Amino acid sequence: EPEVTQTPSHQVTQMGQEVILRCVPISNHLYFYWYRQILGQKVEFLVSFYNNEISEKSEIFDDQFSVERPDGSNFTLKIRSTKLEDSAMYFCASTRSRGQTGANVLTFGAGSRLTVL
Amino acid sequence: SQQGEEDPQALSIQEGENATMNCSYKTSINNLQWYRQNSGRGLVHLILIRSNEREKHSGRLRVTLDTSKKSSSLLITASRAADTASYFCATVNSGNTPLVFGKGTRLSVIA
Repeated sequence: EPEVTQTPSHQVTQMGQEVILRCVPISNHLYFYWYRQILGQKVEFLVSFYNNEISEKSEIFDDQFSVERPDGSNFTLKIRSTKLEDSAMYFCASTRSRGQTGANVLTFGAGSRLTVL
Repeated sequence: SQQGEEDPQALSIQEGENATMNCSYKTSINNLQWYRQNSGRGLVHLILIRSNEREKHSGRLRVTLDTSKKSSSLLITASRAADTASYFCATVNSGNTPLVFGKGTRLSVIA
């Protein structure tokens, strides 16, 4: 069964450092997402991406965050200057269809755990 | 913003019993979905119910939706130890914005 793969599985970084989290969505999916989950908290939407541009973003997704699809397979989340409160599990997700008839059923990766010291 | 809120926060039952989890939300929706998350892992889609549906079944799962009360329930029948996980409801609103998740219900099934 097709999977969304994420790397690294765990990254430890110093506050102020840049971090890039990588995702390979399912190959025929068109919509891509990043969510994050602080330990024990709810899953929070960060950003969605379609047709090589951001389609929606939340208040969390400020200027420190950026996303990119540098080639036909990878989808990356960059945090420019990490803060302690960025420590969380970051999930990539993808879906093939949206719109009024689409269901927005997401396939999630296993997540990248980011620890900021 | 709309938000699914699950109830209870935690639930502990014996194997073989039924588990019921509830979800409430705030605004009109296109559909409501339930996801499962094993500890430290990603979320896995379980079932989707559209706003014009009242009940859906999938194996041991039964989902109901009451749009007048803005609530949904997930029933897992004949629970197994392997059902131990966190369960999240997520909503897609009528404007088709991305899934918004609640805080989840942590289910423990004791063998």
